[in-house]
Amino acid sequence: QSVLTQPPSTSGTPGQRVTISCSGSSSNIGSNTVTWYQQLPGTAPKLLIYKTNQRPSGVPDRFSGSKSGTSASLAISGLQSEDEAHYYCAAWDNSLNGLFGGGTQLTVL
Amino acid sequence: QVQVQESGPGLVKPSETLSLTCTVSGDSMADYYWSWIRQPAGKGLEWIGRMHNSGSTKYNPSLKSRAAMSLDTSKNQFFLHLTSVTAADTAVYYCARDRPFSGDYWRLDPWGLGTLVTVSS
Repeated sequence: QSVLTQPPSTSGTPGQRVTISCSGSSSNIGSNTVTWYQQLPGTAPKLLIYKTNQRPSGVPDRFSGSKSGTSASLAISGLQSEDEAHYYCAAWDNSLNGLFGGGTQLTVL
Repeated sequence: QVQVQESGPGLVKPSETLSLTCTVSGDSMADYYWSWIRQPAGKGLEWIGRMHNSGSTKYNPSLKSRAAMSLDTSKNQFFLHLTSVTAADTAVYYCARDRPFSGDYWRLDPWGLGTLVTVSS
C-alpha cells in the first residue's frame, strides 16, 4: 500500500477534462514539490509534470498540475485517445525517501 | 541529449545478489544524483535509492539495507547490487537521472527502457 494515495482508475471521453488526485501527508506533499509521470502501455515512465506545476519541453499544455495542502492533482483537458496510460504521482518525503503513488489507470472511452 | 540504459542478467537465483549496470550517454554524471526504481509486473513503481558522485547516497528503508549503489564517472556507469534476493524482487528495474546535486526539487528524467529481472531457481 503506497503512502501517496491515488484512485486506481478513472475514465473520460475524447475532449473531456479529467483530474487525478494524489493524497499524501505533511512530510511529503505538504512540504515538498510533486512530480507526475505518464506510463504508456509497455513503455517506461516519462516525466510529465515537475515542481508541482511545471511542464518539461514537449509536454502539451493540456496537462497541468496543482497542489493544495497535502493533496495534489493532475488535470488533463481536451482528452485524447493517446492519453490512455497509467499516471503516477511522486514526492520526496522528509524521512529522506522517494515516494510514488500507486498509479491511476486512465481509460479514454 | 542524455540517455540511460540498464543492463544485467535477466535471471537470478534466490538468496543470491542481483547486480545491474546503468550506462549514461550524452551528459556528465557529476552534476546529478542517479536513481534506481523498480516495478513488479502489473504493479506500481518503487524507488530503490539514489547516489551522487560525492558519495551522498539514500536508500529506501523498505529494502532493509540489502541495496548498495556505486558509480564510476570515468565509465559513465551507475551500479545497483541487491543482496539476498527472493521472488518478491522480481521486477522491471529502471535507472533514471535524478535531480541536480544543488537542486531543491525531486524529478526523474530521463528513464531507461528498463530491464526485467526474474528471481527463480
